[in-house]
Amino acid sequence: EDQVTQSPEALRLQEGESSSLNCSYTVSGLRGLFWYRQDPGKGPEFLFTLYSAGEEKEKERLKATLTKKESFLHITAPKPEDSATYLCAVQPYSGNTPLVFGKGTRLSVIA
Amino acid sequence: DVKVTQSSRYLVKRTGEKVFLECVQDMDHENMFWYRQDPGLGLRLIYFSYDVKMKEKGDIPEGYSVSREKKERFSLILESASTNQTSMYLCASSTGGGRAGELFFGEGSRLTVL
Repeated sequence: EDQVTQSPEALRLQEGESSSLNCSYTVSGLRGLFWYRQDPGKGPEFLFTLYSAGEEKEKERLKATLTKKESFLHITAPKPEDSATYLCAVQPYSGNTPLVFGKGTRLSVIA
Repeated sequence: DVKVTQSSRYLVKRTGEKVFLECVQDMDHENMFWYRQDPGLGLRLIYFSYDVKMKEKGDIPEGYSVSREKKERFSLILESASTNQTSMYLCASSTGGGRAGELFFGEGSRLTVL
């Protein structure tokens, strides 16, 4: 069964304190791994797609990396506006299968 | 600008009522999805559609049905609402092919069933 596990469930950082969020996955064949950001009371917003091990993508203070078993979302010198829930999802290769989402990591950045 | 619009942000319904949640996208996307999101359970897929008049069951279809008569519109129907269907409902769409996993979400519809 395809599965995505995110850790930690919640993370509290001081402004400027860099850290990483983890997304471990089990999938029959990986078509793509996706990161989303969700603000309270809103729908998730797409951030990155990673397709193969070794690939990296960057956007402002965020950098996503991918290995054969996990992905990391690195947050460098975070600001309070980076506070959100970050969701990871995988798309299996089998047919036209929808995304499998993790439960997310709730990030709080304190000024 | 890309947009997925859900008809109601907040709804309050009574047990047993029929509830319609509407979703419209303006991006000519082939794929549309309905999720519900609950604390501690994450996003759970209810139904999805890869084409007009086509529908597929997701992980938790019981108690729900859907309709996709036009490409841009995907409706979620609760035939007889129950209290355990109180939740945040999220609609999403995506294009086909290699970017099918890049979902665009609506703002959500928060449904309370009393």
